[in-house]
Amino acid sequence: KAGVTQTPRYLIKTRGQQVTLSCSPISGHRSVSWYQQTPGQGLQFLFEYFSETQRNKGNFPGRFSGRQFSNSRSEMNVSTLELGDSALYLCASSLGEPGRPVLAPLYNYGYTFGSGTRLTVV
Amino acid sequence: ELKVEQNPLFLSMQEGKNYTIYCNYSTTSDRLYWYRQDPGKSLESLFVLLSNGAVKQEGRLMASLDTKARLSTLHITAAVHDLSATYFCAVDGGGRPFGNEKLTFGTGTRLTIIP
Repeated sequence: KAGVTQTPRYLIKTRGQQVTLSCSPISGHRSVSWYQQTPGQGLQFLFEYFSETQRNKGNFPGRFSGRQFSNSRSEMNVSTLELGDSALYLCASSLGEPGRPVLAPLYNYGYTFGSGTRLTVV
Repeated sequence: ELKVEQNPLFLSMQEGKNYTIYCNYSTTSDRLYWYRQDPGKSLESLFVLLSNGAVKQEGRLMASLDTKARLSTLHITAAVHDLSATYFCAVDGGGRPFGNEKLTFGTGTRLTIIP
């Protein structure tokens, strides 16, 4: 089955611009989460969406936002780009609903990551 | 706040040798993941560990989880060059019986296998 699809793969933007990244989860997965990876800060959680609702949010400024559509596809947006926003942005899809009880064997799921979008801000 | 410590940060080892990467975390969780990342690539899932005492093996890699000690290990046996990559552990903030919460990642271990 198809994996997690992120577009675009590469982006170069100028400071002050905004950018929108897209993520299509594995078919049947309704949870999409976003992570930022930089050499200095490592992998950091941005936010998670389930059924079009933001369920968790990391410690990022309000310039970072996201949304999820009824088909579970998700977008994240970064406005007023700064040089420090240059990073690899990864999205992950998972089967479960965050914070809700699940029954075995559904425990044996995890997160599948997409190929990422490498954003360079100049 | 959940903290995940991974060591060593860098590991250079000869082919054929054995070594272990350690992952300590600060709060109760019984869901831990190991990922591999090649340069410029995404995260590839290696192991999902879901309970105390869980042990999983795939080829030359074996992962274990001790939830009481809040420790997971990734053991490499008879290393080969193809295992050169960065390895991350990640802890799921949710515990059973709840669904996935956000992942908190370790700093990663950059493994280089020298022929």
